[in-house]
Amino acid sequence: AQSVTQLGSHVSVSEGALVLLRCNYSSSVPPYLFWYVQYPNQGLQLLLKYTSAATLVKGINGFEAEFKKSETSFHLTKPSAHMSDAAEYFCAVSPMNRDDKIIFGKGTRLHILP
Amino acid sequence: KAGVTQTPRYLIKTRGQQVTLSCSPISGHRSVSWYQQTPGQGLQFLFEYFSETQRNKGNFPGRFSGRQFSNSRSEMNVSTLELGDSALYLCASSLGSSGYEQYFGPGTRLTVT
Repeated sequence: AQSVTQLGSHVSVSEGALVLLRCNYSSSVPPYLFWYVQYPNQGLQLLLKYTSAATLVKGINGFEAEFKKSETSFHLTKPSAHMSDAAEYFCAVSPMNRDDKIIFGKGTRLHILP
Repeated sequence: KAGVTQTPRYLIKTRGQQVTLSCSPISGHRSVSWYQQTPGQGLQFLFEYFSETQRNKGNFPGRFSGRQFSNSRSEMNVSTLELGDSALYLCASSLGSSGYEQYFGPGTRLTVT
């Protein structure tokens, strides 16, 4: 069965510092991988998607993620944090089986310190 | 292209009542999924519909049900409401299941008193 683990339910970084949100997946075959962001009182918004075309995926708002098969990881990074990045971030995995559903991690709340 | 819409946005109900939430997917999307989000349990999958058929179902009691219409619009119903059903209910649409990103609506905030 596919699964996804996000390390750290809360992460705090200073404004201007590197953002690193960790995501590890479990899958028998390389899946599709996603990162979503949720701002308060809103739905989830797609940040980026990995589809095997390239291991480094660039998303919106300056975020990017790197797929590492050997580590079964898909960590999200941003070189310089901005106050507006404060939100909850979800990693998700979608299996190759056309009948299986997308699976979301438990989320990581990112706090930006002034 | 219009995004996913959910109605109503806010709802207050009393224990024992029932409620119906509506979701209109992005035009052309045939898959609609529903999620319950609470501070304690996080994002939990309720069910997915594709072309009017329930394709996947989460681990929720039978009080939670849904359906999808021929125009892909979906409704979910919760009967005999309990205090613990208070949550943000999110609907997401996609072109299909595997490999397709989901597009989320703003959610319906349900409060049960």
